[in-house]
Amino acid sequence: GAVVSQHPSWVICKSGTSVKIECRSLDFQATTMFWYRQFPKQSLMLMATSNEGSKATYEQGVEKDKFLINHASLTLSTLTVTSAHPEDSSFYICSARGGQTFSNQPQHFGDGTRLSIL
Amino acid sequence: AQKITQTQPGMFVQEKEAVTLDCTYDTSDQSYGLFWYKQPSSGEMIFLIYQGSYDEQNATEGRYSLNFQKARKSANLVISASQLGDSAMYFCAMRIGSSNTGKLIFGQGTTLQVKP
Repeated sequence: GAVVSQHPSWVICKSGTSVKIECRSLDFQATTMFWYRQFPKQSLMLMATSNEGSKATYEQGVEKDKFLINHASLTLSTLTVTSAHPEDSSFYICSARGGQTFSNQPQHFGDGTRLSIL
Repeated sequence: AQKITQTQPGMFVQEKEAVTLDCTYDTSDQSYGLFWYKQPSSGEMIFLIYQGSYDEQNATEGRYSLNFQKARKSANLVISASQLGDSAMYFCAMRIGSSNTGKLIFGQGTTLQVKP
């Protein structure tokens, strides 16, 4: 089945550092990738949608300058948390969808990145 | 407004028994898709089952079945013969928009604990 790899799986860094999270589709071309944020025991909140080669579409309330998303190729999207602060600590999950989609095809999720800012 | 609601923050079930996890949705779209995902404590999202808005039959996948009641806008997940490994958080999700361009919105989740 379709596999999405997310790296790193966890990261701890100091306040003020910028952190980059990678999301790769390993066996399909992901025309669309999604980035979610999840607090403990809470729902997944969609942060942004990125289409290969174009600017990401951010959900209302998500700071574009804080969360930089790049989707430069059909297999790679990156989320950079710039000048991270403790309130940015969270679980970030990416999801990918291929170009040929069928209505019953689910999005394929990465395993998530646990980000802790000290 | 498009919305998914899961009203059960936590559920307990005895091993080998069946359990129903509730999900209601709100949309004005005629075409939509409903999904259930399982999230163990390790964090990965595992796809379980899908129901399309035009599907007349309830979806089934092994021990999972989806009780789809379109008029009530509900899409409850039924897990039969619960196993200890079923303990996890379960999310109901709805795809809004087309299958090519749409996005998933998630409910609040239900934490299921299976008792031995």
